[in-house]
Amino acid sequence: DIQMTQSPSTLSASVGDRVIITCRASQSISSSLAWYQQKPGKAPKLLISKASSLETGVPSRFSGSGSGTEFTLTIGSLQPDDFATYFCQEYNSYSPGFGQGTRLEIK
Amino acid sequence: QVQLEESGGGGVQPGGSLRLSCAASGFTFSNYGMYWVRQAPGKGLEWVSFIWYDGTNKYYRDSVKGRFSISRDNSKNAMYLQMNSLRPEDTAVYYCAKDDVYRSSWPGALDIWGQGTLVTVSS
Repeated sequence: DIQMTQSPSTLSASVGDRVIITCRASQSISSSLAWYQQKPGKAPKLLISKASSLETGVPSRFSGSGSGTEFTLTIGSLQPDDFATYFCQEYNSYSPGFGQGTRLEIK
Repeated sequence: QVQLEESGGGGVQPGGSLRLSCAASGFTFSNYGMYWVRQAPGKGLEWVSFIWYDGTNKYYRDSVKGRFSISRDNSKNAMYLQMNSLRPEDTAVYYCAKDDVYRSSWPGALDIWGQGTLVTVSS
């Protein structure tokens, strides 16, 4: 199975900050990577697919990049609604795997 | 409005069985692959099973192979997860989710999620 490693596990930041979350795959997954946002007690929400394709309705301060084994999710200017947990997911195999999550908390 | 709604969760003793259901609405269900994903309390997301849009192929994570069975009824816009020989480590919120690619035979991103149903396996 492909292993997905996210970093950092926890990130403390302030409103207006620019933050970057990294996801690394144990082998190449081309651009078959998605990013999700999850708030407590809620289902995950798809933000980005194909590594960099922003879902309809997702604010443009979110962006994704990367291919192969290294990927990043960037939030350009943090808003209060962005404090949540973020997961990456690879879908280059029939056993799609998630990263362990990055909890973004208010500094 | 595109929507998924899970049901069937609850408490069960180890070795017991449960059948989860996922009701879909607002999109042509028969055109999309579907997933079950679970999340243990306070933990991350874990893919459980995937079924093709037409139900012809099914995939499972190793830890549930031989115990769980995924199925779908496109005439009823519904998907199911039959869970047998349940273990305490199966305790989690179970989500159904929709693949984002039309009639794909390959897993994709999950663009629509249900609200989840809690399964608790404990004696």
